[in-house]
Amino acid sequence: SYELTQDPAVSVALGQTVRITCQGVNLRNYYATWYQQKPGQAPILVMYGRNTRPSGIPDRFSGSDSGGTPSLTITGAQAEDEADYYCSTRDSSNNSPRAVFGGGTRLTVL
Amino acid sequence: QVQLQESGPGLVKPSGTLSLTCDVSGYSITSDNWWTWIRQPPGKGLEWIGEIYRSGSTHYHPSLRGRVAISMDKFKNQFSLTLNSVTAADTALYYCARPIFGDNSWYFDLWGRGTLVIVSS
Repeated sequence: SYELTQDPAVSVALGQTVRITCQGVNLRNYYATWYQQKPGQAPILVMYGRNTRPSGIPDRFSGSDSGGTPSLTITGAQAEDEADYYCSTRDSSNNSPRAVFGGGTRLTVL
Repeated sequence: QVQLQESGPGLVKPSGTLSLTCDVSGYSITSDNWWTWIRQPPGKGLEWIGEIYRSGSTHYHPSLRGRVAISMDKFKNQFSLTLNSVTAADTALYYCARPIFGDNSWYFDLWGRGTLVIVSS
């Protein structure tokens, strides 16, 4: 079965760059996708595909798959970026496909 | 503007049945899309529950198979979740969402606001 692993917590100084990684994604199948969730709110999509931001997501967010490990990078982190971030992909390895989520990374902006 | 809205009882007794509905507005659920349920236990991460296609085809999380069913009502433009034999472990915020395939990735571009279901006697 498929499991995605994320660091439980990461911190970044205001204005600095932070990278959040997602281990376990089989990039031969699908790219990872990334969601931001703030307290009391539903998740919102911040990155999908090779490096595609939905409309309204600031360009300080970028995605990559360096060395086969998907990551979400925030260049010049802002206070409003403090949130939980989840990676996700689709497991189509058997006859019953399903979506899989990482355990989430809590980002603290110092 | 496409919107998803979950509804259903917020309290279910142990061993009972959880039933939720997701109303979709601004978009036909008979379009070429899957429709998904996702849940999040308090203080924990996201867990995919299952999905349904316009044909009625479904996929479910292996750990829930046998207890879960997702159905759709094309006339009401809504889809539903039923989870049987619930326990406290099923206490969670339940979201409905729309998955999209694009740029070689599957992503959830639309989410409901979520509805909290507590399993307790």
